[in-house]
Amino acid sequence: EVQLVESGGGLVKPGGSLRLSCAASGFTFSSYSMNWVRQAPGKGLEWVSSISSSSSYIYYADSVKGRFTISRDNAKNSLYLQMNSLRAEDTAVYYCARDYCSSTSCGFDPWGQGTLVTVSS
Amino acid sequence: SYVLTQPPSVSVAPGQTARITCGGNNIGSKSVHWYQQKPGQAPVLVVYDDSDRPSGIPERFSGSNSGNTATLTISRVEAGDEADYYCQVWDSSSAHVVFGGGTKLTVL
Repeated sequence: EVQLVESGGGLVKPGGSLRLSCAASGFTFSSYSMNWVRQAPGKGLEWVSSISSSSSYIYYADSVKGRFTISRDNAKNSLYLQMNSLRAEDTAVYYCARDYCSSTSCGFDPWGQGTLVTVSS
Repeated sequence: SYVLTQPPSVSVAPGQTARITCGGNNIGSKSVHWYQQKPGQAPVLVVYDDSDRPSGIPERFSGSNSGNTATLTISRVEAGDEADYYCQVWDSSSAHVVFGGGTKLTVL
């Protein structure tokens, strides 16, 4: 069974840092691009970052560029999101999601259950 | 940056057909993906590449995309279809993934 399990969320003060992890199982992790998507309380989905299978291509949303760093360890089947200079507006449930690709494009499936990050003093 | 526009809410009676739109400039030239999210749960991909369904998704879910509008169609709506639905594309010009604002489907 394909499974993604996020961890590392919690309460952090503005300006602080947090590192999220996503443990993957049930598929060949090193063959897939991976993604982080967040959802603020009561709000819609917001894409955060994507990383290709070999880490050759990395993309960030404008709202997090320069503050967040996505990375992966294919030997450990793990995806990471290092979040620095956190702001109140970064408060959200953070999901990791695997690429689900056709010959022409990729959606996201499956998704993990999410981990809550709360930025507050 | 590329913007996707969805109606905030759509209501439909059980057994009827629900249509959820996703508007974007020349969206017909892009591949659109649709997600279903029920309260307290992670999103689930229900349609990819405009009109294809992942395995396990009922045939009642279908999609189309042309011009400036993509549409998710849910036939023979059931109470269990009540959820938030999001469209998503890849904007190659900005190298960004873009989500629509989401549509809450209410089954009357």
